[in-house]
Amino acid sequence: NAGVMQNPRHLVRRRGQEARLRCSPMKGHSHVYWYRQLPEEGLKFMVYLQKENIIDESGMPKERFSAEFPKEGPSILRIQQVVRGDSAAYFCASSRDSNQPQHFGDGTRLSIL
Amino acid sequence: DQQVKQNSPSLSVQEGRISILNCDYTNSMFDYFLWYKKYPAEGPTFLISISSIKDKNEDGRFTVFLNKSAKHLSLHIVPSQPGDSAVYFCAAPAGGTSYGKLTFGQGTILTVHP
Repeated sequence: NAGVMQNPRHLVRRRGQEARLRCSPMKGHSHVYWYRQLPEEGLKFMVYLQKENIIDESGMPKERFSAEFPKEGPSILRIQQVVRGDSAAYFCASSRDSNQPQHFGDGTRLSIL
Repeated sequence: DQQVKQNSPSLSVQEGRISILNCDYTNSMFDYFLWYKKYPAEGPTFLISISSIKDKNEDGRFTVFLNKSAKHLSLHIVPSQPGDSAVYFCAAPAGGTSYGKLTFGQGTILTVHP
């Protein structure tokens, strides 16, 4: 019974490149959430998706960031033209429905050179 | 605007004693709370939750207390074990009973000494 799977676990990019972070939810879960944790801070909500729909993107920066959760395949968090300030741990969580606790993956640590 | 606050960055406890982790919130619309535990290089793991219709919820060594009038909740771990050493986050969903967007506190680092 696999948990939430995120890959890659570590990602290094140079300024200006694109970063793609992947998240496969737990089996039977159709709700996916992305959070970002900056050093020395708590997790901050970014976006909440269900299959093929963005439900709440109130925590997403207005530019360069996008997220999708297609009918088939993992959820993708995409960061275009990365900057040093994007360096953080990005966590994905999933739940069976909106009334169940979220279960987290182990995160992707993004480093920008 | 930090709506969920954990004012103690760290806590050190002797094995076998009680650990008490505290959390305050400012948004009176919050009516459901969760505690997560996080080890280094891993994702948060759900521990225990509480609804505002209760003032206490217990699960083994973990008990969460909620004081709505004070907008305060606490997590008690009894007895504490070295394996409990981790960062503990309290969190509240934006839309009441669960729903999506969780607001997290800054976390408290718990160290349990053998």
